[in-house]
Amino acid sequence: QKEVEQDPGPLSVPEGAIVSLNCTYSNSAFQYFMWYRQYSRKGPELLMYTYSSGNKEDGRFTAQVDKSSKYISLFIRDSQPSDSATYLCATPNNAGNMLTFGGGTRLMVKP
Amino acid sequence: GAGVSQSPRYKVAKRGQDVALRCDPISGHVSLFWYQQALGQGPEFLTYFQNEAQLDKSGLPSDRFFAERPEGSVSTLKIQRTQQEDSAVYLCASSLVGGELNYGYTFGSGTRLTVV
Repeated sequence: QKEVEQDPGPLSVPEGAIVSLNCTYSNSAFQYFMWYRQYSRKGPELLMYTYSSGNKEDGRFTAQVDKSSKYISLFIRDSQPSDSATYLCATPNNAGNMLTFGGGTRLMVKP
Repeated sequence: GAGVSQSPRYKVAKRGQDVALRCDPISGHVSLFWYQQALGQGPEFLTYFQNEAQLDKSGLPSDRFFAERPEGSVSTLKIQRTQQEDSAVYLCASSLVGGELNYGYTFGSGTRLTVV
C-alpha cells in the first residue's frame, strides 16, 4: 500500500462545475499537506499547502484536511478549461527534505 | 535564471548506454532535489542536496544511479547501463531554504528519458 493514494481519474467536468479532488494517506505522523498542479510536459507547481486539520482558501481553491480520517481534499469552484491538468497531493517527511506524492488525478474541464 | 532549467528535454538511449541529465537550479537556491516520475504516476524521490552535500540518496533505485552537485549549483544525474525500467521523466527541483521544512519547491519541466 502506498503512503499517499489518489484516484487517477480522469475526471471530466463541464466548465463552471465545482470539482472535488481527494487523497488518503496512511501515516498519522504526516503534518503538512500540499497540492500541486502539473500541466502536460511540465513540472509540478505548488498550488496550496496546509498544516494539520482544517480548511485553507485561496481564490477559487480550497484545501481541506481531516486528520481523523486521514483524508485530504482540494475543491475548485467555477472550474475553467485552464484548470485541466493533473493534480497531485503531497506530504513532506519529518526532516522536510522529501515529498511523498500521490499518483495524481487527471482533471479535464470542458468548455 | 528565472526558473529551474533541465537539459536535455528529451533523451532516447539504447539499453546499456550511459546518460547524464543536467539541472540548473534557481540562482542562490540551497536545496536541490531529484525525482523520478513514471508515466501516469506521481513523482518519487531520488536524492537531495544541500549546497554541495548529498544529504539523502535513499531513493536512488540502484547503484547505476549517481548524482552530484560539486559546486553547490548545477547538478548532474547520471544513469549507467540504462535499462528499460529507467524510462521516466526525471524532475529536478530547488528551494531557497536549507534543512527544515522544504515545501517551497520550484520544479523544472523535466527530462523525458526513453530507453529502447
